[in-house]
Amino acid sequence: GENVEQHPSTLSVQEGDSAVIKCTYSDSASNYFPWYKQELGKRPQLIIDIRSNVGEKKDQRIAVTLNKTAKHFSLHITETQPEDSAVYFCAASRPRDSGTYKYIFGTGTRLKVLA
Amino acid sequence: KAGVTQTPRYLIKTRGQQVTLSCSPISGHRSVSWYQQTPGQGLQFLFEYFSETQRNKGNFPGRFSGRQFSNSRSEMNVSTLELGDSALYLCASSFGYHTDTQYFGPGTRLTVL
Repeated sequence: GENVEQHPSTLSVQEGDSAVIKCTYSDSASNYFPWYKQELGKRPQLIIDIRSNVGEKKDQRIAVTLNKTAKHFSLHITETQPEDSAVYFCAASRPRDSGTYKYIFGTGTRLKVLA
Repeated sequence: KAGVTQTPRYLIKTRGQQVTLSCSPISGHRSVSWYQQTPGQGLQFLFEYFSETQRNKGNFPGRFSGRQFSNSRSEMNVSTLELGDSALYLCASSFGYHTDTQYFGPGTRLTVL
């Protein structure tokens, strides 16, 4: 079945450094790729998303890149801060009209930003 | 606008019982999806409702069911609870059927003893 692989499972970086989290999806029909941040005991919150017709998207310190050919997409966080510490999830979904719409989530990356 | 709300926030049940969880989407949102989150399996899609109809379903047994009301509020029911059903159950709402962006509720933490 379809799956999304996410790496690494844990990531520790020094404050101010960059962090990169990578995901690979298997369903070539996927066309929407969101990233969620989940702090301990809180709900997942959408931080950035990208659609298959775009190769890169930036929002301040956060960027996402998509390589459709390789079925890879990555989250880049620059100038990391302690408040970036959380679990990050990637997801992939195919069009709703495809008949088998569902979000498939990666297994999560626990990011620790060390002060 | 108020965010997605879920009730109850915490629930303790014993094996064999059944449970009903409730989700109220963001005002104006008509699509509600349900997810199970566990440390071992991560976030797994249960089902999605739009306009009171189940539109999509994940790979969960028939013990897991749901429904959606005319005001878009949704309920999820789990019958004959098993220990493995202990998890955080999250619902997420989106504006319309063709809108991908989902906003999550705080979840219901279900513990099955």
